[in-house]
Amino acid sequence: DAMVIQNPRYQVTQFGKPVTLSCSQTLNHNVMYWYQQKSSQAPKLLFHYYDKDFNNEADTPDNFQSRRPNTSFCFLDIRSPGLGDAAMYLCATSGRDRAEKLFFGSGTQLSVL
Amino acid sequence: SQQGEEDPQALSIQEGENATMNCSYKTSINNLQWYRQNSGRGLVHLILIRSNEREKHSGRLRVTLDTSKKSSSLLITASRAADTASYFCATGDNYGQNFVFGPGTRLSVLP
Repeated sequence: DAMVIQNPRYQVTQFGKPVTLSCSQTLNHNVMYWYQQKSSQAPKLLFHYYDKDFNNEADTPDNFQSRRPNTSFCFLDIRSPGLGDAAMYLCATSGRDRAEKLFFGSGTQLSVL
Repeated sequence: SQQGEEDPQALSIQEGENATMNCSYKTSINNLQWYRQNSGRGLVHLILIRSNEREKHSGRLRVTLDTSKKSSSLLITASRAADTASYFCATGDNYGQNFVFGPGTRLSVLP
């Protein structure tokens, strides 16, 4: 089945140690998003790619970077994780049609020790 | 910000009762969507309503949209314990690429 896959499901890293989260999709969707969700809060958009065009949200910290080497894969790099970066990171995709829904992966729960 | 805001923040009802959640937003939108999230999981799309639509149904779900008041409501009829989850509204801007989520309503359906 076509889907959005995030790996790993749980990730533990140390304070200041770079970490990369991955997302892949078999939907052939143009747009890929990364959201950060802290406990009992709304998902917060970090950035998104429309094809290869990268769109960063104004309040996304510089500590967060992203790469999209091809249509299927997208990575979230956290260069120097702080304790405040512990959260669920959600990847989502949508198609070219402006009115299409988002398809989410199961998320990666990041812990920072 | 065009972020949607839901109320109530938390809702507890008995199985079989109806649950109503409301969402407000600030700017013009292309569409409004409702999502469900079980604890510790990703979000699942429930229903999308476009800015030129006023009401939409899907199974036990009914969504209304009032663009003059910049608000939407989600009604779940005949609720079940399995409906226990967090429900989020998300608004899509006119470019359709920037979906912003409201804070969500945590629904508990008691058996």
